[in-house]
Amino acid sequence: SQKIEQNSEALNIQEGKTATLTCNYTNYSPAYLQWYRQDPGRGPVFLLLIRENEKEKRKERLKVTFDTTLKQSLFHITASQPADSATYLCASPKSSGDKLTFGTGTRLAVRP
Amino acid sequence: NAGVTQTPKFRILKIGQSMTLQCTQDMNHNYMYWYRQDPGMGLKLIYYSVGAGITDKGEVPNGYNVSRSTTEDFPLRLELAAPSQTSVYFCASSYSTTGRGSQPQHFGDGTRLSIL
Repeated sequence: SQKIEQNSEALNIQEGKTATLTCNYTNYSPAYLQWYRQDPGRGPVFLLLIRENEKEKRKERLKVTFDTTLKQSLFHITASQPADSATYLCASPKSSGDKLTFGTGTRLAVRP
Repeated sequence: NAGVTQTPKFRILKIGQSMTLQCTQDMNHNYMYWYRQDPGMGLKLIYYSVGAGITDKGEVPNGYNVSRSTTEDFPLRLELAAPSQTSVYFCASSYSTTGRGSQPQHFGDGTRLSIL
């Protein structure tokens, strides 16, 4: 079956380090992936979109990669700060023209 | 701009009661969506609309109804509330997703609904 999966275990890192979150997909080839941030009690907020023909996308301290061979997207936050603590969701369409399917999210905790 | 506004923020219903979750957006987006989010399950699409007067089912539509009489509003109706509908409900909107790429979705802050 077609799946989009994120590590359900929380990621705990020290302030200043680089956080790396993983999004894996199986049995389909998304045209693009989106990454969102969700704070407790709030709705998701869009961060970045990367298309299948793009290997890397950057926005300030954020970097997203898309490896169609590994069927994986990595989301990096460099020089992490406690304010980066949140749940990060990846999402993609499972077929052309399809609506987004979201991963379950990975919670990031950055300790001072 | 207010973005996507959802009301109410919290609600407790008894089994069998009905209610409408309200959603309005002021970004002139033609696409609107309703999701539910359960712990450890991720966001599941309930219904979506590509424009006023047009709605379609998502992944988990049973027990829900929607209407889209205007571009701005997309209410979600629960007719006979069941404990399985206890969840957090999110409304979102976006520009058209047709074409090569996709538009980001803008979410409201959710309605937390408990059915007892």
